[in-house]
Amino acid sequence: GQQLNQSPQSMFIQEGEDVSMNCTSSSIFNTWLWYKQEPGEGPVLLIALYKAGELTSNGRLTAQFGITRKDSFLNISASIPSDVGIYFCAGRNAGNMLTFGGGTRLMVKP
Amino acid sequence: SAVISQKPSRDICQRGTSLTIQCQVDSQVTMMFWYRQQPGQSLTLIATANQGSEATYESGFVIDKFPISRPNLTFSTLTVSNMSPEDSSIYLCSARSETQYFGPGTRLLVL
Repeated sequence: GQQLNQSPQSMFIQEGEDVSMNCTSSSIFNTWLWYKQEPGEGPVLLIALYKAGELTSNGRLTAQFGITRKDSFLNISASIPSDVGIYFCAGRNAGNMLTFGGGTRLMVKP
Repeated sequence: SAVISQKPSRDICQRGTSLTIQCQVDSQVTMMFWYRQQPGQSLTLIATANQGSEATYESGFVIDKFPISRPNLTFSTLTVSNMSPEDSSIYLCSARSETQYFGPGTRLLVL
């Protein structure tokens, strides 16, 4: 089946630093979604990408849909303590099912 | 966007019993899903809840163990049947309108 490789698995950074994480796949996706999950909560949608090459921002977050349709990245600029959580990428294929990456656990040191 | 609520938010159950989790969406949605998430892990799709027909289960999940109902376009239930400690997990309801949203999850501990 399809697999999404998400990296890094975890990051421990200083407040104010920029963060970058990415997902790659051996298969093509039609949609890329990025979610954030905090302890005790469900995943919350951050950014949705629908076209190859699309670059979308949401505040300090920027995500891009790779031109090959097999990858996506998420950048967080000037991190703050409330950015702490687990970030998941998810890709949707023509069959309309979401496949999730393994998650990136972000820890921010004040 | 869609706002999704789940009940209960958490429960502790004895092995051999069953628990039904309810999912309510604040608007009509085309598709609803149930996922399982082990602590510290990613999300695994259990099934797609189809309105008016049987749910579509993913490999490794069967209707006898995880019966699902979807009587209308805003509501679904997932039952975890004959529970064992291996069923301890977070169960997440998800709904798709223009994109896909998740409920807060139900944290289940089976003793």
